[in-house]
Parts: sequence; C-alpha cells; structure tokens
Amino acid sequence: EVQLVESGGGLVQPGRSLRLSCTSSGFTFGDRAVSWVRQAPGKGLEWVGLIRSSAYDGTTEYGASVNGRFTISRDDSKGIAYLQLNSLKTEDTAVYYCSRGGDGGSLNWFDPWGQGTLVTVSS
Amino acid sequence: EIVMTQSPATLSVSPGERATLSCRASRSLDSNLAWYQQKPGQAPRLLIYRTSTRATGIPARFSGSGSGTEFTLTISSLQSEDFAVYYCQQYNNWPLTFGGGTKVEI
Repeated sequence: EVQLVESGGGLVQPGRSLRLSCTSSGFTFGDRAVSWVRQAPGKGLEWVGLIRSSAYDGTTEYGASVNGRFTISRDDSKGIAYLQLNSLKTEDTAVYYCSRGGDGGSLNWFDPWGQGTLVTVSS
Repeated sequence: EIVMTQSPATLSVSPGERATLSCRASRSLDSNLAWYQQKPGQAPRLLIYRTSTRATGIPARFSGSGSGTEFTLTISSLQSEDFAVYYCQQYNNWPLTFGGGTKVEI
C-alpha cells in the first residue's frame, strides 16, 4: 500500500523555523515528485511547493506566498521529503500535507495524500 | 496564475439525488484538471484526473467532464458517505492551483 506520513508539526513562535518530514512507503520514492499542500483552519487547499524526482535533478517549484521562505528537499535513500519553514508568520498556521506527484516534470495531480501535520504559529 | 472558481459554494441535496459541481478556470487547461473529496478531519482523496478518469477504487457514480475552461463533477446518486467538500485542481501551469471548494450537504 502506498503511504505517506507527515511529522514535525507543532507550536512555533513567529519568525522561527520548523522542519516537516514526509516519510513514504509502498512505492519507489526516488521515481516520483512530492508536493506539499497546506490548509489553514476552516479554509481551502493551497499548494506550497514541489520537488521533482532525481531524474529531473530534484529541482523545485514554489507557490508565491512561500517562495524564499520555505525549502523542499528529499533524501531518496530514506524515502523522505522535507519542508523547511523559515521566517514563519501567523498566516502560515495550517495543516501541512505531503502528496505523491507524477514521474515527469511534474505538472500532475496528487495521489495519495498523507494525514497531515498541524503547524501553529503563535506567540 | 490560473484562478480556479468553483460553484456553488454550498450545494444542498438529498440522498439519491444527482449533484452537479462546477469548476471554471481563468485560462484554458486542456484536460489537465483533477477533483478531490475531503471529509471533516481527513486528508483530501483523489477522485478524478485528466478531467474524466476515475482514480482507483472510486465508484462509477462519480464522473467528470469538460474541457478548456469549464469543468463539471457529477455525482449521479448521492450516498450518505458523499457528503463532503470537493475541490478542483489544475495542473496545466505553474503554480498548481485549487478551487475554493464546494460543500455538498444534506
């Protein structure tokens, strides 16, 4: 069974940093892109960013609201993707989901999704 | 950025009825559109990709159609487990974007 499990969320003060992990199982992690999507409390879905597979040099794309503050990386040997959140703002408070993308350059749909991890930014 | 607009925001229907959800894109997507279902406290689940292809395990009562900028998700006969929020997502251009969602309620 293909699975993704997020971890690393919690309460953090504005301006501080946090690193989220997305641990995979059930598929060849290195062959697929991974996206991060967030959902603020009571709101809709917002795409955060994506890291392509190693076949595409692990390059990244980001949404405008997080570009320059958030960084996605991956460790294919461990089957884990990371989301480094820097300079956090209160408006970054959300559940953060990771999801599997495609095996190309990766304009793609998301399937499956992890269960999410809650990040709360507050003083 | 391609803006995705879903309508209506809330759809009130009865079990057994047909539900039609709309998604409009600000630019043409060809067929690069997906639909997701999200129930309270759960992660989204992929229903449809490439406008009309059902994901693995998705019942046949869910169908997608459309092209260009206008897309539709139809649930032919609503079951109790179908009451949820539905999102469309375009993957034709960067950045990837979602619609604001349609809540299907009783």
